[in-house]
Amino acid sequence: NAGVMQNPRHLVRRRGQEARLRCSPMKGHSHVYWYRQLPEEGLKFMVYLQKENIIDESGMPKERFSAEFPKEGPSILRIQQVVRGDSAAYFCASSPRDSSTDTQYFGPGTRLTVL
Amino acid sequence: GNSVTQMEGPVTLSEEAFLTINCTYTATGYPSLFWYVQYPGEGLQLLLKATKADDKGSNKGFEATYRKETTSFHLEKGSVQVSDSAVYFCALRRLAEGYSTLTFGKGTMLLVSP
Repeated sequence: NAGVMQNPRHLVRRRGQEARLRCSPMKGHSHVYWYRQLPEEGLKFMVYLQKENIIDESGMPKERFSAEFPKEGPSILRIQQVVRGDSAAYFCASSPRDSSTDTQYFGPGTRLTVL
Repeated sequence: GNSVTQMEGPVTLSEEAFLTINCTYTATGYPSLFWYVQYPGEGLQLLLKATKADDKGSNKGFEATYRKETTSFHLEKGSVQVSDSAVYFCALRRLAEGYSTLTFGKGTMLLVSP
């Protein structure tokens, strides 16, 4: 059973460009979480999605950031008009069901660098 | 709100030394507590967890006890190895309307030398 997959592993963008980060959850998992790790910081929750639904986006900036988890295909975190402050590692996690008791399994992360 | 505070690193030890990484938390209710480990260039891996007061989580020689009275979940290992060098994150799970999200500490880097 493959783990959580994220791609690309490294992404370089210039200010003003768009960044698209992909996350394929573990097989059988229908819940996806995105976290951001800024330099010298712990991971901060951004958004929680189930298939075709955003359940909690309380940690996601209101401007320029969006997330989706379509019925088919990976979850996408999209950052429009990137700025230098968006440079960070973005981690995706998945769980099989209602995560009140389930463990979240993390992917290897996408390291975004904004020039 | 919920928060997790870890001791700052790096923690530098010689092989076979005893390890303690302190973690305290602030939370409403009774959160579950976790330690995750991040090896260089990799994602986070669950190391151990405890879901209620006085529970002890253990794995790979690491252990931590959920202390409600001191709101702590300190990570310990009796004899560290070079391969334990990594960043360790303490986290709590917050329940909200039937689902949960994780709140992490800032992480503590452990460096073990031969």
